[in-house]
Amino acid sequence: KNQVEQSPQSLIILEGKNCTLQCNYTVSPFSNLRWYKQDTGRGPVSLTIMTFSENTKSNGRYTATLDADTKQSSLHITASQLSDSASYICVVSETYGGSQGNLIFGKGTKLSVKP
Amino acid sequence: KAGVTQTPRYLIKTRGQQVTLSCSPISGHRSVSWYQQTPGQGLQFLFEYFSETQRNKGNFPGRFSGRQFSNSRSEMNVSTLELGDSALYLCASTPGETQYFGPGTRLLVL
Repeated sequence: KNQVEQSPQSLIILEGKNCTLQCNYTVSPFSNLRWYKQDTGRGPVSLTIMTFSENTKSNGRYTATLDADTKQSSLHITASQLSDSASYICVVSETYGGSQGNLIFGKGTKLSVKP
Repeated sequence: KAGVTQTPRYLIKTRGQQVTLSCSPISGHRSVSWYQQTPGQGLQFLFEYFSETQRNKGNFPGRFSGRQFSNSRSEMNVSTLELGDSALYLCASTPGETQYFGPGTRLLVL
């Protein structure tokens, strides 16, 4: 069964610290992996999209890595800010450019950044 | 460009009623997908419309239905509401790969 597992479920860090969120998937076939940030009460916002041939992709202080062999991805947040407090959702796509119904969503990691 | 808009933002209904939610995609986007988000289950795919045709459907009962109009605006309808339908309903539009989500409609069923 195609699944996306994220860890930890929740995380509390101090402002200015770095953190890494994990995503393991068993989706096959695999087209791309996405990370979304969802602020409370808002819709998710795309941070990165990586195909199987990409190992890393950055978006400001966010850096995503992908190991397609082990089917693992991580999202590293550098020098965290209070505004980074949100849920981070890992999403794996089975096909390219196809139906959005082929997206498999993880349940997210809830990050709280404290001053 | 304006983002994805959803109306209403909040809704309270009672069991047995029906509800219609609306989504206006980003101009030029022809694909609109709908999701249900609950704390325990995360985001779950409801259905996707592309050029007025349903392209894919998730594992939800027939009480959940949708449609898309020629201007790409989409509606979803839930009939005979149940307590378990309380959730945040999100729609997303896409020109291809990247999805752009709306702010969601929070539905509370009493």
